[in-house]
Amino acid sequence: GAVVSQHPSRVICKSGTSVKIECRSLDFQATTMFWYRQFPKQSLMLMATSNEGSKATYEQGVEKDKFLINHASLTLSTLTVTSAHPEDSSFYICSARADRVGTEAFFGQGTRLTVV
Amino acid sequence: AQSVTQLDSQVPVFEEAPVELRCNYSSSVSVYLFWYVQYPNQGLQLLLKYLSGSTLVKGINGFEAEFNKSQTSFHLRKPSVHISDTAEYFCAVSVAITFGGYNKLIFGAGTRLAVHP
Repeated sequence: GAVVSQHPSRVICKSGTSVKIECRSLDFQATTMFWYRQFPKQSLMLMATSNEGSKATYEQGVEKDKFLINHASLTLSTLTVTSAHPEDSSFYICSARADRVGTEAFFGQGTRLTVV
Repeated sequence: AQSVTQLDSQVPVFEEAPVELRCNYSSSVSVYLFWYVQYPNQGLQLLLKYLSGSTLVKGINGFEAEFNKSQTSFHLRKPSVHISDTAEYFCAVSVAITFGGYNKLIFGAGTRLAVHP
């Protein structure tokens, strides 16, 4: 299957700082990328969907100004957690798909964010 | 609205025994259905998917699932499990976004499969 690389795998930051997480599709062009958040022992919660060249579409309850998503190229999307606080600590996972209405998405390895 | 229900949060089973992980979905339109596996601190790996055609779908690692439209179910099965199958399993449905021109995945709550020696 296709490969999606997410970096970093773990990050610890101080409260009030910003953290950027990268998601790259290594062997295909990702028209659509998704960002999820996962709390311990829980399912994945979709945060936003980004289509290359368009603004991200955020799910209800997700703060756009707090979680900045950029999908500037067909192989790279970034999620920036701005002014991070301890409650933002979580596991963040990206996924990428080759076309808008395709059926299979490939997932990155996830990023464990800890805000201290 | 579409949703996915995984009826069991945890399923303990002995090695080499058969297992079934249950998944029910609600949707008023045609659906694409998926099963993913997640190992600790990792992303998700696709086990199998149903798009159309045969209702019995075979996936990786000896897993299979059956799409039952009348019961709106997509249960995952394996005839003989291994210790290495211990993981979290997620059922998902692909939902078309009206006017968005794309689909998004809706996940169930997950089932923790624990295989004991």
